[in-house]
Amino acid sequence: RKEVEQDPGPFNVPEGATVAFNCTYSNSASQSFFWYRQDCRKEPKLLMSVYSSGNEDGRFTAQLNRASQYISLLIRDSKLSDSATYLCVVNIGGAAGNKLTFGGGTRVLVKP
Amino acid sequence: DVKVTQSSRYLVKRTGEKVFLECVQDMDHENMFWYRQDPGLGLRLIYFSYDVKMKEKGDIPEGYSVSREKKERFSLILESASTNQTSMYLCASSPPHVGGYTFGSGTRLTVV
Repeated sequence: RKEVEQDPGPFNVPEGATVAFNCTYSNSASQSFFWYRQDCRKEPKLLMSVYSSGNEDGRFTAQLNRASQYISLLIRDSKLSDSATYLCVVNIGGAAGNKLTFGGGTRVLVKP
Repeated sequence: DVKVTQSSRYLVKRTGEKVFLECVQDMDHENMFWYRQDPGLGLRLIYFSYDVKMKEKGDIPEGYSVSREKKERFSLILESASTNQTSMYLCASSPPHVGGYTFGSGTRLTVV
């Protein structure tokens, strides 16, 4: 079983709509969670951290469910520029230190 | 802004060649990482380093080695390139605490 699993998509989203997708992680000791965004043929970039209480950054909302071991990302009022691959990222802490484990990514395509 | 610079954007090498991929960061970060990214497999950690002259194996170190003689530079070495090492190679750096990585723009290596 992969440590971090994501639905690869693509999620085809009409412009202006809301899209949400999850990521599951296998290690219950995981401590820190992030969403990264990767545009086609570009490097990943940090989108947002995910906090236990959930957090929002503009049109993006991230949630963490420790009991079920998943995190989610919701994008409201989707823009064409939101088309990208969204990578779920987990750190298990402890001996792993600052090492991050990446999911395979969820591809989102926003269409006019 | 933190900059992580990878020396080559595209590289073509022959099977059996020794290949050096260079990565330089300008923000005095302690941590540096080398990943490879392949379709369907996501980002996989090859090696990482928490300090000068320190190195730790990641999830797929076989066929690779690294060098960190200076804090700002982290080199990935393919001792004898093989076709299954054709991939996108991404370098990243981060400060000591768990948080966002900053990635370089990647080196697309083709081994023929």
